[in-house]
Amino acid sequence: NAGVTQTPKFRILKIGQSMTLQCAQDMNHNYMYWYRQDPGMGLKLIYYSVGAGITDKGEVPNGYNVSRSTTEDFPLRLELAAPSQTSVYFCASSPGSRIPYEQYFGPGTRLTVT
Amino acid sequence: QKEVEQDPGPLSVPEGAIVSLNCTYSNSAFQYFMWYRQYSRKGPELLMYTYSSGNKEDGRFTAQVDKSSKYISLFIRDSQPSDSATYLCAMRPGNTGGFKTIFGAGTRLFVKA
Repeated sequence: NAGVTQTPKFRILKIGQSMTLQCAQDMNHNYMYWYRQDPGMGLKLIYYSVGAGITDKGEVPNGYNVSRSTTEDFPLRLELAAPSQTSVYFCASSPGSRIPYEQYFGPGTRLTVT
Repeated sequence: QKEVEQDPGPLSVPEGAIVSLNCTYSNSAFQYFMWYRQYSRKGPELLMYTYSSGNKEDGRFTAQVDKSSKYISLFIRDSQPSDSATYLCAMRPGNTGGFKTIFGAGTRLFVKA
């Protein structure tokens, strides 16, 4: 199993540009998450999904959108990039209530907005 | 007040030392307490978890939860240079209280050979 995969690994965007961060998992997990990690701030939840077609906002959803058309994929869309969105983005998945304590993380996408 | 507080460090210790990493929290609904390890430029990976109060041991690692004080700890015995990483505490309510996990800011640990 590849686990959780993310593309791209790195990206530099200009202010106002748009992009989609890709995330896929092959563990048949129902729950998927997007976090951002800023220095000294820990992981902040952006959006999450409890299954295909179901998504909801986390702590810091402004400036982002998500969709979940399949169990495997959970892309994150940035519509109008701003410098405040410079961060490392992690996608994660979990089995949900069956094993409530564990999340599996992808390798991250480092995004710089200038 | 943040729901989870964790000293960001950095913490630098010599090889073989006992390391103590700690978090405090404010939400009494938290039931699952986890420690994740994150190597530089990698995603976090689950190291240990504890349900409710008590201790749990796994090799050189011991996790402790004191719910009365809202305080959790991770101890690393005989620390190795390969333990150099950022350690994130994480917590979530029981299954009836929602499933969102709250992470601490992480403590950077350096173990010197």
